Amino acid sequence: AQKVTQAQTEISVVEKEDVTLDCVYETRDTTYYLFWYKQPPSGELVFLIRRNSFDEQNEISGRYSWNFQKSTSSFNFTITASQVVDSAVYFCALSVGGSSNTGKLIFGQGTTLQVKP
Amino acid sequence: DGGITQSPKYLFRKEGQNVTLSCEQNLNHDAMYWYRQDPGQGLRLIYYSQIVNDFQKGDIAEGYSVSREKKESFPLTVTSAQKNPTAFYLCASSISRPGTGQGNTIYFGEGSWLTVV
Repeated sequence: AQKVTQAQTEISVVEKEDVTLDCVYETRDTTYYLFWYKQPPSGELVFLIRRNSFDEQNEISGRYSWNFQKSTSSFNFTITASQVVDSAVYFCALSVGGSSNTGKLIFGQGTTLQVKP
Repeated sequence: DGGITQSPKYLFRKEGQNVTLSCEQNLNHDAMYWYRQDPGQGLRLIYYSQIVNDFQKGDIAEGYSVSREKKESFPLTVTSAQKNPTAFYLCASSISRPGTGQGNTIYFGEGSWLTVV
């Protein structure tokens, strides 16, 4: 069975602090894809990043960075120098299978991030 | 602009009524999905379609129905059999490349709020 766990339900930080959102996944598939989405108060899910299981390189995009570690089945997301506009619900998601991949996403419960001015 | 359009944004349903949520995309994506989100929870898959005139049940299909007569359209009907329909519904789409082992990024619409009154 596949599962995604985001143990942090809510995080509150003060602006300019760094914050890391944790994501742990479970799957027996050797080919899989991991995603992070941001859901602002408007409701739309905004795509942030996709990684495949064969690429463990960390990635940095501006203030955002992602740490993918297969040894611990984790795909953590760090926001550096957080801003009020980063306040949102963040979802980690998993899609499994290679040639059989249907694109279905398995979501974690989400982490609500509040950045205070 | 390219994207996924959901309508209506807010919908109220009386007990025993069927209602239909519209989802249209102009991204030329083959695959389309419907997810349900309940407060404080992650998203759960209702139905998905990888090609016109074909669709599969997701994890919580009971009480819902879909059709895929056109590539760009994937309407969701919430039937009276759905006992607890009040939720936020998100439509999504992705390029589907069956058999190539590509984990396609899934893009989401802005969502529709359904409330039973």
